[in-house]
Amino acid sequence: DAGITQSPRHKVTETGTPVTLRCHQTENHRYMYWYRQDPGHGLRLIHYSYGVKDTDKGEVSDGYSVSRSKTEDFLLTLESATSSQTSVYFCAISEEGETEAFFGQGTRLTVV
Amino acid sequence: AQSVTQPDIHITVSEGASLELRCNYSYGATPYLFWYVQSPGQGLQLLLKYFSGDTLVQGIKGFEAEFKRSQSSFNLRKPSVHWSDAAEYFCAVGFLTGGGNKLTFGTGTQLKVEL
Repeated sequence: DAGITQSPRHKVTETGTPVTLRCHQTENHRYMYWYRQDPGHGLRLIHYSYGVKDTDKGEVSDGYSVSRSKTEDFLLTLESATSSQTSVYFCAISEEGETEAFFGQGTRLTVV
Repeated sequence: AQSVTQPDIHITVSEGASLELRCNYSYGATPYLFWYVQSPGQGLQLLLKYFSGDTLVQGIKGFEAEFKRSQSSFNLRKPSVHWSDAAEYFCAVGFLTGGGNKLTFGTGTQLKVEL
């Protein structure tokens, strides 16, 4: 299995609070991605990173921000959580020139 | 707009029966094509992928998929399903760009296997 660790694995938070999810990789892959998974929608790309401090928006980026200060860590922040952000969040990584993406185990976030 | 369609939300098959999961895509060019499987509470595991060449690709766990350009389809098949194949299956497409391989997923097909 690719060395991807997501933390926390489960979290319950209140509406309006900030939340940060962490993705840590030990593969030294260049690209990192955050997806959310919702019933009836499959997985949708939130943000991605193509290098340290290089990030860009995906399909559903509103309400989310990201940061990548080190190759191995990619943080996803919900500045003010809303109930619509209740979801399962997946981190993925891929190497330059390679098409295969490897996924973490996911973080289940519930906003109450 | 670019899209990936998995028309079957749920499929139930008997153990030992054959399986075909459908996937259609709408893109201006032929993208890279993938099938992923997700067991309950788990992440996604790559079953197989297609880039070019032979249109019938073999994957892990006895799965195969056939790319048909004329139909913009990439259907997943297995000759004989095992109870352990019960899971959710996602078709995905992507392109290699400066942003890596950003994937677009279908909505998934939940497979139930009856013993």
